[in-house]
Amino acid sequence: GDSVTQMEGPVTLSEEAFLTINCTYTATGYPSLFWYVQYPGEGLQLLLKATKADDKGSNKGFEATYRKETTSFHLEKGSVQVSDSAVYFCALSDTGNQFYFGTGTSLTVIP
Amino acid sequence: DGGITQSPKYLFRKEGQNVTLSCEQNLNHDAMYWYRQDPGQGLRLIYYSQIVNDFQKGDIAEGYSVSREKKESFPLTVTSAQKNPTAFYLCASSMGTVSYEQYFGPGTRLTVT
Repeated sequence: GDSVTQMEGPVTLSEEAFLTINCTYTATGYPSLFWYVQYPGEGLQLLLKATKADDKGSNKGFEATYRKETTSFHLEKGSVQVSDSAVYFCALSDTGNQFYFGTGTSLTVIP
Repeated sequence: DGGITQSPKYLFRKEGQNVTLSCEQNLNHDAMYWYRQDPGQGLRLIYYSQIVNDFQKGDIAEGYSVSREKKESFPLTVTSAQKNPTAFYLCASSMGTVSYEQYFGPGTRLTVT
């Protein structure tokens, strides 16, 4: 079945460091891919998305490219801020009826 | 502003009582979902609904029930049959169920003692 695997956390970075959170997926069709962010005690917010191969989603300095050949959708940001501290979820939606979420990666950015 | 509201933010109940969590959306979305999130874990799907008066079980439906009498409302009842009901519950909606992003409410934290 479809699934999403993302890197284990927690991740701790210094402010202005480069961020990569790895995400790979398994899907039988041509899924859409998403990154969500969750701040403590809140719901998930859509961060970015890509709906077909080679698409790049971007928002608030975050980017991710839909790589069909490697079945990956890694999240990157060139310079993280303390306010980026949150849990990040990779997700996919395909021709079925459900979303598939990764287990989440906790990011802490220290000043 | 369009969005999803969940109420209350915090809910406390005694063991053996049923409790209903509210979820309302004004996004005119057809599909709605309920997830459960436990500390340090991902999301697990409880129920989803693609259209009014129809819903399907997710991965962990036992001990829960839902209704979808109106397009904008999808309440979740946590029954006394749910063995470990204490958790953070998230409601979401989407335009459809194929490749559309889901939008989430702020969540309800349920504590059962």
